[in-house]
Amino acid sequence: DTGVSQDPRHKITKRGQNVTFRCDPISEHNRLYWYRQTLGQGPEFLTYFQNEAQLEKSRLLSDRFSAERPKGSFSTLEIQRTEQGDSAMYLCASSLGEFSNQPQHFGDGTRLSIL
Amino acid sequence: AQTVTQSQPEMSVQEAETVTLSCTYDTSENNYYLFWYKQPPSRQMILVIRQEAYKQQNATENRFSVNFQKAAKSFSLKISDSQLGDTAMYFCAFMKRPNDYKLSFGAGTTVTVRA
Repeated sequence: DTGVSQDPRHKITKRGQNVTFRCDPISEHNRLYWYRQTLGQGPEFLTYFQNEAQLEKSRLLSDRFSAERPKGSFSTLEIQRTEQGDSAMYLCASSLGEFSNQPQHFGDGTRLSIL
Repeated sequence: AQTVTQSQPEMSVQEAETVTLSCTYDTSENNYYLFWYKQPPSRQMILVIRQEAYKQQNATENRFSVNFQKAAKSFSLKISDSQLGDTAMYFCAFMKRPNDYKLSFGAGTTVTVRA
């Protein structure tokens, strides 16, 4: 069990640029989640995959955001035309099983800074 | 929608003493999970303890215990025999059952353990 891995750890970009983050879940975890955490706040749910299917998206996930999980393994979160308000920590989590009682394991996060 | 409120932004405790963090939540659901997560500075968020709403017995994990008051919609965390390694941000979180997998987090409480 190597844990949830996120890359990069920190991304600095100019407003208007596109960015892509990667998350590698714990192997065999069939569920994968993306959350966004702004400074001093708790994480907010963005989207969730079960295997390769994206089953739920938050209203926070505007049309500039897209997430994929091809083949049900790693996932990518892309933000197009970044804005100042996108500056946050983006957390990925994964969990195992068919029932919601399996705990979510979090990665270290990717900190996005928009100049 | 569920809301989770943590009314204490910061708490400080002397090493070896006890500290209690408060959490209240608002939901119309009857079946759900409650969690406390710990996020040390610049490190991963990890699960501390979990409570199933249908269980009346309060959950305990070593030095961590909860006081779950379902009618009052209150879920406090007690950290006994505080250690320096307990210094972290603590988040209370809610998850609806049975088929909802996203966590709704409070804003967090920063706990500092003093030597």
